[in-house]
Amino acid sequence: AQTVTQSQPEMSVQEAETVTLSCTYDTSESNYYLFWYKQPPSRQMILVIRQEAYKQQNATENRFSVNFQKAAKSFSLKISDSQLGDTAMYFCAFWETSGSRLTFGEGTQLTVNP
Amino acid sequence: SAVISQKPSRDICQRGTSLTIQCQVDSQVTMMFWYRQQPGQSLTLIATANQGSEATYESGFVIDKFPISRPNLTFSTLTVSNMSPEDSSIYLCSVAGTPREQYFGPGTRLTVT
Repeated sequence: AQTVTQSQPEMSVQEAETVTLSCTYDTSESNYYLFWYKQPPSRQMILVIRQEAYKQQNATENRFSVNFQKAAKSFSLKISDSQLGDTAMYFCAFWETSGSRLTFGEGTQLTVNP
Repeated sequence: SAVISQKPSRDICQRGTSLTIQCQVDSQVTMMFWYRQQPGQSLTLIATANQGSEATYESGFVIDKFPISRPNLTFSTLTVSNMSPEDSSIYLCSVAGTPREQYFGPGTRLTVT
């Protein structure tokens, strides 16, 4: 079974600084999708960024970017110029093509301090 | 991206009763899913809602406890039956048109007393 591991239960960063959240996964598949979701206290799951495994180029969305290392099965999220509104739980998720389901990591609670 | 609504947004229910949660999408989607998020924990897939056929349940979840309907490509319901306090969770509907497009509804916060 595929697994997703987020080794940092909590992180904090000062406003305007950069922070990196870690995620590793385990799979025997060659084609899959990886996602980072943000869940603020409102509990709405918001898609932050996604990466297709067949693409070598790392995905970027404004202040959010990923470092996708396929051989190492690593998928970290970098948040630049952190803002107070970035305070939330962040989940890394893996979509397995064969099983057609999302598998989530345990989450990292990020707090941005003023 | 798809716009997803869920009803109710929250509810407080008594032990032994049942609650039906509705999920409505503003466009036709191939895949719909139901997740449970227990307090302080990550999301766990309950089942895949299949249009016109029985849902596909994950290990640990059964149809008698969590019956699911999906009458068309834009609507699904999840019923939490014979509730106990352990069922207190957030229940989330998710849709996917393609694997790269995975979106979630706002969730239903259920408290069982």
